Amino acid sequence: KAGVTQTPRYLIKTRGQQVTLSCSPISGHRSVSWYQQTPGQGLQFLFEYFSETQRNKGNFPGRFSGRQFSNSRSEMNVSTLELGDSALYLCASSAPLAGGPNEQFFGPGTRLTVL
Amino acid sequence: KNQVEQSPQSLIILEGKNCTLQCNYTVSPFSNLRWYKQDTGRGPVSLTIMTFSENTKSNGRYTATLDADTKQSSLHITASQLSDSASYICVVTLHMEYGNKLVFGAGTILRVKS
Repeated sequence: KAGVTQTPRYLIKTRGQQVTLSCSPISGHRSVSWYQQTPGQGLQFLFEYFSETQRNKGNFPGRFSGRQFSNSRSEMNVSTLELGDSALYLCASSAPLAGGPNEQFFGPGTRLTVL
Repeated sequence: KNQVEQSPQSLIILEGKNCTLQCNYTVSPFSNLRWYKQDTGRGPVSLTIMTFSENTKSNGRYTATLDADTKQSSLHITASQLSDSASYICVVTLHMEYGNKLVFGAGTILRVKS
């Protein structure tokens, strides 16, 4: 079974630009979550999508948005980029374990550098 | 405030030695606690998941414990190997009406030396 894939793996943008990151979950997984990871803040939850609906959201400004398509693929968009947006952006897909909590599987991440 | 604190921040041990990483949390309502291993430049990989009722769970040389009363967890690594060098992240899941909301610790960076 193929894992979670994210594209692109690396991206360099300048301040003020916008960026779109893509995530393809594991086949059959309907939940996709996005996270930002920086050396200073660690991993922080951005939002979670399930069946094309955002069902949870972290504490990030409105410049960060996302969506999920009918095939469960998800995109994340950051507008008006700031230097502080430089980070590793991770996507995770999940499916319920039998009788237990959801198991989350992470992709390799997209390394975004804002100059 | 929902927080997860890990200690130590970093650790260096010799190959073959054991080590224990700590995690304290104040997340409520608690759903489950996970330990992840993250190699440099890669996404985290799940090691263990424990619900409220579980005290211990093993995955090979990794053994996690959970004390839900004191809100503490530990990850014990036995007979460490060079490939264990990574960041170990403790993650607590908030019980939500819909979906998951994960609260992450800052991680412990482990370096295993030969």
